[in-house]
Amino acid sequence: QKEVEQDPGPLSVPEGAIVSLNCTYSNSAFQYFMWYRQYSRKGPELLMYTYSSGNKEDGRFTAQVDKSSKYISLFIRDSQPSDSATYLCAMTSAGGSYIPTFGRGTSLIVHP
Amino acid sequence: ETGVTQTPRHLVMGMTNKKSLKCEQHLGHNAMYWYKQSAKKPLELMFVYNFKEQTENNSVPSRFSPECPNSSHLFLHLHTLQPEDSALYLCASSHEGQRSSYNSPLHFGNGTRLTVT
Repeated sequence: QKEVEQDPGPLSVPEGAIVSLNCTYSNSAFQYFMWYRQYSRKGPELLMYTYSSGNKEDGRFTAQVDKSSKYISLFIRDSQPSDSATYLCAMTSAGGSYIPTFGRGTSLIVHP
Repeated sequence: ETGVTQTPRHLVMGMTNKKSLKCEQHLGHNAMYWYKQSAKKPLELMFVYNFKEQTENNSVPSRFSPECPNSSHLFLHLHTLQPEDSALYLCASSHEGQRSSYNSPLHFGNGTRLTVT
């Protein structure tokens, strides 16, 4: 079993839809959770960064962590064509290796 | 423009060539990374430098040779590559303490798209 599982998609939604992107993981030591957005021909850019369980909101984006289920989500409200990109989840443990473990990324297409 | 700059953006090289990729970070970070990104595969960690010391070498073939002269600059020297080495090579940086409990997220450059013919 891979440490971090993420469906590569593509996920295609109409403009204005609520998008849910998810990752599952197997290492219970993970404490820091990140979402990166990668546009075509660009490097990944940090979108959300959360510690432990709970929700974090930033504009149209909400990151959710459920450590009991080893499941993290990124919700995008009122999705726009400019949100079309690949979204990668990443996670690290506290006090252990600081090098993140990445998912494969989910390709999201928001069509007008 | 990101705080991590990679050059060149695109590189085409033959299998017998020698070339170098360059990365520079302007964020005051002390750890730098090389990743390989191939289509439909997770990011593959290649090398990590922390305080200019190489701390990770993820079983990378010797045809890839990293160099970190200071905490702001990172190079990846390439020689006798294979066509399967064609990929996007990403540089990243972060701020790390000495195995502290605070984990700083990585900041990436826009990568070098490498094609080996």
